[in-house]
Amino acid sequence: GAVVSQHPSRVICKSGTSVKIECRSLDFQATTMFWYRQFPKQSLMLMATSNEGSKATYEQGVEKDKFLINHASLTLSTLTVTSAHPEDSSFYICSAREEVTYGYTFGSGTRLTVV
Amino acid sequence: DAKTTQPTSMDCAEGRAANLPCNHSTISGNEYVYWYRQIHSQGPQYIIHGLKNNETNEMASLIITEDRKSSTLILPHATLRDTAVYYCIVRVGGNFNKFYFGSGTKLNVKP
Repeated sequence: GAVVSQHPSRVICKSGTSVKIECRSLDFQATTMFWYRQFPKQSLMLMATSNEGSKATYEQGVEKDKFLINHASLTLSTLTVTSAHPEDSSFYICSAREEVTYGYTFGSGTRLTVV
Repeated sequence: DAKTTQPTSMDCAEGRAANLPCNHSTISGNEYVYWYRQIHSQGPQYIIHGLKNNETNEMASLIITEDRKSSTLILPHATLRDTAVYYCIVRVGGNFNKFYFGSGTKLNVKP
C-alpha cells in the first residue's frame, strides 16, 4: 500500500533556531499533502494544506511566517518551524493524498522538542 | 464537515468484539464516514470508510444506520495491539478535502 515517510522522527533544537521536517510519498505521487500538530493527550489539529507547485493554505490561527511549507515536487513536502520556541514543542504529522484511489496516508510523525 | 461525537474511552476484553460508536447527526448526503486509529506516538492508520452501506475489510466492519446519523466500528476479535485512539471522521469525498479530527475514543484492550 501507499507509504508516507517522515523525517526526522525526533529532533531537539535550541530556542531561536529553525527546524525542517520532510514528508515523502514513497510509492505514489501526491499533489496535496497536509500538516498536523498534536499536543500531548490531544487530538490532531490541521495546520495547513500543502499544494504542489503553489502556495500552502493555512488554517485559521496558524502563523504562515512561522510554519513555512514547501511542496516542490509530487513526492516531497517540507515544513520548517522558524525561530522555534518551547511552546512549539509538539508532535508534527503529515498526510498525503494518493491520486488514484484518493486515499489518505499518514506519516509516522516527528517529535519536536525545543529547549 | 459534520461534527462527530464519540465516547472518551472504552474497555474491551482480549478476544472479544470491540464495538465503537460514533454519532454524526448532522451528516450530509455526500459525506463519507471514515475511521482511523492512532497507536501511541505514531501517525494515524486508516481502518475503513463507507457512505451508506455496511462495509467490511480485513481489519474491521463498519455499520452505518439507515438514517446515517450514527455508525459503529466493529473489531471482531480485539487483541492487545488494538489498544489505540480511534477517530471517526465525516467528510465529503473527492479532491482536496481535508480531514478534521475530533477527540476520538481511547480503546483499552485488556487481557
